[in-house]
Amino acid sequence: AQKVTQAQTEISVVEKEDVTLDCVYETRDTTYYLFWYKQPPSGELVFLIRRNSFDEQNEISGRYSWNFQKSTSSFNFTITASQVVDSAVYFCALSEAGVNRDDKIIFGKGTRLHILP
Amino acid sequence: DGGITQSPKYLFRKEGQNVTLSCEQNLNHDAMYWYRQDPGQGLRLIYYSQIVNDFQKGDIAEGYSVSREKKESFPLTVTSAQKNPTAFYLCASSTTENYNSPLHFGNGTRLTVT
Repeated sequence: AQKVTQAQTEISVVEKEDVTLDCVYETRDTTYYLFWYKQPPSGELVFLIRRNSFDEQNEISGRYSWNFQKSTSSFNFTITASQVVDSAVYFCALSEAGVNRDDKIIFGKGTRLHILP
Repeated sequence: DGGITQSPKYLFRKEGQNVTLSCEQNLNHDAMYWYRQDPGQGLRLIYYSQIVNDFQKGDIAEGYSVSREKKESFPLTVTSAQKNPTAFYLCASSTTENYNSPLHFGNGTRLTVT
């Protein structure tokens, strides 16, 4: 069965520091997709990135970067030069896409990130 | 602007009463979902629907019911059989019937049952 683990429940860093949010996943499928979502205090989850299992290239989008490593089943998210507006709960999620898929999107429990001014 | 509208934002009910949470989308998405969020628990799937007049149970469907009579609407009823209904409920939609498309979420409904 698929599973997503975000071991860091809560992280606090001072503004302008870099911070990495960890995500470890489990799946029996060889074809799958990984996602990151941001949930600001308003409550609505906002999609950040999707990565499929065949694309291990790291991705950078402004101050955000993602490191996908199949060897360690990890899909970590780094915020560079953090800002107060980055304060939110961040969720990692997994969906299987192969013939043995569970047909569900599984979310981790989230990491609450506090950026201190 | 296209999006997902959940109403109301806050809902208060007495124990033993059924309550229905509204979810409407104008994104022309086929698939719609209901998630429940509790502190420290992440998001757990209640029900999902890939097409009108069809829906499937998620991981925690007991005590909940849904309908999908229109593509745009996917209301969730929290029945009196749900033992711990107080939670934050999120509705989402996506473009395809599989699970590879990003989800679009509403702003959520916070339900408090006393």
